[in-house]
Amino acid sequence: AQSVAQPEDQVNVAEGNPLTVKCTYSVSGNPYLFWYVQYPNRGLQFLLKYITGDNLVKGSYGFEAEFNKSQTSFHLKKPSALVSDSALYFCAVRPTDPGYSSASKIIFGSGTRLSIRP
Amino acid sequence: SAVISQKPSRDICQRGTSLTIQCQVDSQVTMMFWYRQQPGQSLTLIATANQGSEATYESGFVIDKFPISRPNLTFSTLTVSNMSPEDSSIYLCSVRDRDTGELFFGEGSRLTVL
Repeated sequence: AQSVAQPEDQVNVAEGNPLTVKCTYSVSGNPYLFWYVQYPNRGLQFLLKYITGDNLVKGSYGFEAEFNKSQTSFHLKKPSALVSDSALYFCAVRPTDPGYSSASKIIFGSGTRLSIRP
Repeated sequence: SAVISQKPSRDICQRGTSLTIQCQVDSQVTMMFWYRQQPGQSLTLIATANQGSEATYESGFVIDKFPISRPNLTFSTLTVSNMSPEDSSIYLCSVRDRDTGELFFGEGSRLTVL
């Protein structure tokens, strides 16, 4: 079955320190990969995506993510965390395998709550 | 990118009533998606709304409970029928970029059912 895993429910980081939010996936073919952020009482906002090309992709608010095909991972990173980065982060995958009947469907991970302490 | 407006942004409803959520997009799109986000949970796709045809529902969701309208390429509604406290959730409308698959979301409609 196609799935996305975010193994950490919560990540706590001190402001100024680097942060990593983990994501692994189990999807056949070469999927499209996304990260979204949800601030309190808001909808989801797009952060970045990987379609093809350079494994390191840069996105909004200084975030970046590294695609690792052998490990089927797409971890979100930021070199220096800000208190304002505190939010709920979702990894998402869109399968592109023609054999996948719902290829238009995007699968979301369970979310990781990022908490940045001053 | 697309700008998506949803209303109401939040509502408190009584058990047994129904509520219709509206979603307006600033551009014409073929498919619109309705998601549910239960408290502390991830997003679950309810259905895909195509203009000019019936919505396609995901497993566990039925038209009688979540009727959807899609009268044109920029607008859709989702009705939550005969509500119970278990329906208390954030309901999100989204559209997808045709090339990248990136989803754009509305701000969501937070429903509380008493």
